[in-house]
Amino acid sequence: AQSVSQHNHHVILSEAASLELGCNYSYGGTVNLFWYVQYPGQHLQLLLKYFSGDPLVKGIKGFEAEFIKSKFSFNLRKPSVQWSDTAEYFCAVNSPSNTGKLIFGQGTTLQVKP
Amino acid sequence: DAGVTQSPTHLIKTRGQQVTLRCSPKSGHDTVSWYQQALGQGPQFIFQYYEEEERQRGNFPDRFSGHQFPNYSSELNVNALLLGDSALYLCASSLLSVRMNTEAFFGQGTRLTVV
Repeated sequence: AQSVSQHNHHVILSEAASLELGCNYSYGGTVNLFWYVQYPGQHLQLLLKYFSGDPLVKGIKGFEAEFIKSKFSFNLRKPSVQWSDTAEYFCAVNSPSNTGKLIFGQGTTLQVKP
Repeated sequence: DAGVTQSPTHLIKTRGQQVTLRCSPKSGHDTVSWYQQALGQGPQFIFQYYEEEERQRGNFPDRFSGHQFPNYSSELNVNALLLGDSALYLCASSLLSVRMNTEAFFGQGTRLTVV
């Protein structure tokens, strides 16, 4: 069965600390990979996406993610977090031939202390 | 920029009642997908509508049904509401006619509470 697993459910960091959120997927065949962020009271927003090519992708607000095909992983990183990064982060996957159906992980709540 | 809009934003219903949620896709998009996000969980795919037809469906009972209109807007209907249907319902739009490698844009969601 297709699934996405996010290892960290709740992460607490101080400002300027580095961030890495883990994401592993189980999906047969070629995949598209996404990280979405949900700020308090706001809609899901796309942080970054991987379709093909360079496995290191850069997104908005200084976030990046690396696709490691051999490990079925797509971890999210940011060198220095800010208080405004406090939010819920979701990893998601779909198939290039079935882009309408996203499979999400259960999310990671990030709390950044000022 | 006309993003994805959903209405209403909040709704309280009683067990056994029926509810209709509405979604207008992002301008230029032709496909609408619906997701259920329970508290503390990631969104779960309910179904997808394209060309006014349900194209695929997740693991949800027939109490969940939908519709897409010629202007691409969509409705999600839930009959015989259960307490467990309480959740944030998200609508996402995309451009399926492009087929490959499109991204979905999400609305702010409708918070449904069943009492």
